[in-house]
Amino acid sequence: EAQVTQNPRYLITVTGKKLTVTCSQNMNHEYMSWYRQDPGLGLRQIYYSMNVEVTDKGDVPEGYKVSRKEKRNFPLILESPSPNQTSLYFCASRLAGGEQYFGPGTRLTVT
Amino acid sequence: EDQVTQSPEALRLQEGESSSLNCSYTVSGLRGLFWYRQDPGKGPEFLFTLYSAGEEKEKERLKATLTKKESFLHITAPKPEDSATYLCAVQVRGTGTASKLTFGTGTRLQVTL
Repeated sequence: EAQVTQNPRYLITVTGKKLTVTCSQNMNHEYMSWYRQDPGLGLRQIYYSMNVEVTDKGDVPEGYKVSRKEKRNFPLILESPSPNQTSLYFCASRLAGGEQYFGPGTRLTVT
Repeated sequence: EDQVTQSPEALRLQEGESSSLNCSYTVSGLRGLFWYRQDPGKGPEFLFTLYSAGEEKEKERLKATLTKKESFLHITAPKPEDSATYLCAVQVRGTGTASKLTFGTGTRLQVTL
């Protein structure tokens, strides 16, 4: 089944404790992105990648890092999480010019 | 700055009561406009892509249309299972923007019996 998977689905952590949210797709898509979704603000793009080793900032990249060492994986790294990073996070992937597939989401709470 | 505005924020319809959702946009050059459906606690699900003014696409009870300034998602004779949040997003032309999507905040649709 074609899908985007994210782990973990739920995470509660404390300020400053480094964490990684994994994202994997099995569709051989070149493009992958990370979004955060907050009430009243909608989906905002954090980072995106056009292929292996090619990444760029979206609208809200501060406090986040990404890497794209393999085509299928695009982890999101929070080196020192803060409470304002509490949000619902989505990973997505697509082919060039194709429709975008979203993962199931990761709900992150930073206390 | 690219902007996407959706209206209304929320819409309550009775089953069978047709209506339209609006997505207005201000961008430097439109590459594509996308409609998604999002159910609570789930990731958005792709519905349509529109590329040029005058284009229309249909899927079951949904029909999306595009003008130079806005897009409409028409829902004909909705059913309760159409209840969801509908999101609009735009992709703009330009170097390095191939993966950048700007989303609206969505219209929350509730269809009652």
